[in-house]
Amino acid sequence: EDKVVQSPLSLVVHEGDTVTLNCSYEVTNFRSLLWYKQEKKAPTFLFMLTSSGIEKKSGRLSSILDKKELSSILNITATQTGDSAIYLCANNNAGNMLTFGGGTRLMVKP
Amino acid sequence: GAGVSQTPSNKVTEKGKYVELRCDPISGHTALYWYRQSLGQGPEFLIYFQGTGAADDSGLPNDRFFAVRPEGSVSTLKIQRTERGDSAVYLCASSTTGTERDTQYFGPGTRLTVL
Repeated sequence: EDKVVQSPLSLVVHEGDTVTLNCSYEVTNFRSLLWYKQEKKAPTFLFMLTSSGIEKKSGRLSSILDKKELSSILNITATQTGDSAIYLCANNNAGNMLTFGGGTRLMVKP
Repeated sequence: GAGVSQTPSNKVTEKGKYVELRCDPISGHTALYWYRQSLGQGPEFLIYFQGTGAADDSGLPNDRFFAVRPEGSVSTLKIQRTERGDSAVYLCASSTTGTERDTQYFGPGTRLTVL
């Protein structure tokens, strides 16, 4: 059974801090790994990673995949209160369904 | 352009009742997915449609759950004889063609509460 595990479960930081969120996976058919941000109900897409070692970047957010270690990290630099959300990591297997981790709840205090 | 929309945003029902949840995908997206998210957990896959047909319904928990997509666009998730354990946020997503390299875009979900 495919499994995705995220750590930490929750994190409280102050504005301006840098955070690193972790995602590890055990899947039978790896195709891609995705990161989503969930503020209220709708998860919004951040990154899709397919190749190991290639960093994807969008503003203050960046992510990288390590296929050897079966893991990915999401970095957020110079955090802002608007970054407060649940960050979800998911694997897309050959069957097109997403297997999600439990999420990391990030709270950024002013 | 319009994203994925879902109605109703909230639904409160009594145990044993029947409910229907609707999803309107992004225009032109052939693939549609339903997920269920319980409090404090990540979304769990329920069913995937490619066009009008259910390509994978392995995530439906039991035969009280059923979903249709008769014209290949709007989808309805139907739950019979609801139970308190069905309470969750039901999320719908769509993608362009349904390949594993396509991004799935999510709707705002329907929060179902079974009393």
